[in-house]
Amino acid sequence: DAGVTQSPTHLIKTRGQQVTLRCSPISGHKSVSWYQQVLGQGPQFIFQYYEKEERGRGNFPDRFSARQFPNYSSELNVNALLLGDSALYLCASSSKEGTISGNTIYFGEGSWLTVV
Amino acid sequence: AQSVTQLDSQVPVFEEAPVELRCNYSSSVSVYLFWYVQYPNQGLQLLLKYLSGSTLVKGINGFEAEFNKSQTSFHLRKPSVHISDTAEYFCAVGKGSGNTGKLIFGQGTTLQVKP
Repeated sequence: DAGVTQSPTHLIKTRGQQVTLRCSPISGHKSVSWYQQVLGQGPQFIFQYYEKEERGRGNFPDRFSARQFPNYSSELNVNALLLGDSALYLCASSSKEGTISGNTIYFGEGSWLTVV
Repeated sequence: AQSVTQLDSQVPVFEEAPVELRCNYSSSVSVYLFWYVQYPNQGLQLLLKYLSGSTLVKGINGFEAEFNKSQTSFHLRKPSVHISDTAEYFCAVGKGSGNTGKLIFGQGTTLQVKP
């Protein structure tokens, strides 16, 4: 079975532009989360969606938005890009909503975003 | 609020030597604890997790971790490391109740295995 797949793998954008990152969860998984990993730091939680509804939001500005589609895939949008948005954006999926017993969270390879 | 502190940013070790990567957490609620590994230019792979029960948890690639509630620690150990274990290791905590799938990660520890 395919794991969590993300696209694109690498992209370069200019300050002020907008970017859309895509994620397909593992088949059967209904929960998708997004994390931002700045170089040299641990991942930081941005959003979680479960059954197409937002279940959690991290401490990120409104320039960041996301949505989940009926097939449970997800998109992360970032508007008005800043240099500080340069990071690895990780998508994670799980079968259940929370980190309850037996619910493993699987991560994709990530999308590397460079803002110049 | 929950937080995770990985006490060492870098741990150099020779091949076949034992290693311990330290992780402390703080939380006012029950938590689940995880260790993830990130190889260069890759995503995160789950090494092991503590949900409940035995405080000694065994994971993949010969790694194990011990949950110590009184010291709020979840240190990762391996009795004999290999060159291929060179990677970034992240400790993470998840809330032990409710529906959030949010994980709080530490800053990471770079394990450098030297021949």
